[in-house]
Amino acid sequence: EPEVTQTPSHQVTQMGQEVILRCVPISNHLYFYWYRQILGQKVEFLVSFYNNEISEKSEIFDDQFSVERPDGSNFTLKIRSTKLEDSAMYFCAASLQASNQPQHFGDGTRLSIL
Amino acid sequence: SQQGEEDPQALSIQEGENATMNCSYKTSINNLQWYRQNSGRGLVHLILIRSNEREKHSGRLRVTLDTSKKSSSLLITASRAADTASYFCATDASNYQLIWGAGTKLIIKP
Repeated sequence: EPEVTQTPSHQVTQMGQEVILRCVPISNHLYFYWYRQILGQKVEFLVSFYNNEISEKSEIFDDQFSVERPDGSNFTLKIRSTKLEDSAMYFCAASLQASNQPQHFGDGTRLSIL
Repeated sequence: SQQGEEDPQALSIQEGENATMNCSYKTSINNLQWYRQNSGRGLVHLILIRSNEREKHSGRLRVTLDTSKKSSSLLITASRAADTASYFCATDASNYQLIWGAGTKLIIKP
């Protein structure tokens, strides 16, 4: 299984603080995604990213969220002012193409907001 | 129900038995995918079946797709303890995002 690497594995942050979650996608994959999974709930799509632009985003991905690929390898998700309800597992994924291709996931970052 | 609903929610079987999980969805799709998630880990892609395919195999896994009923099934034959995990179906709502079901928690008893 191709490897997507996420850091940190666990992040504990005070409410209102900013967090940056990091992902290193598979090198030849061009499409990147962030999903979240609140404990015991479904996986939810947040955003997709291609060619240094957001391709699609969900209603969850409001002004508090942003993504960027600062150096051509890392893919980051920033939450500007965290809320308690942001506590969840956040998964990064990558795929070769946009459609009809599997998405390869990292092991996730567990974000705990206190 | 929302796009990509699995049933049963939980399934417990003896090692060596077959496990069948079902997924229903609401809108038209390009493809349907099945993923496995071990506790505390990421999602591992198992099989992708396109809307013009009816059945697909991969090792001990068999996936069927019935677009007229908007449903899919995942069969794991000769189950092993290592198959214990949650299994999710996901459909492509667009070219970019996957819509996920709530998953089936599968427990294989030794």
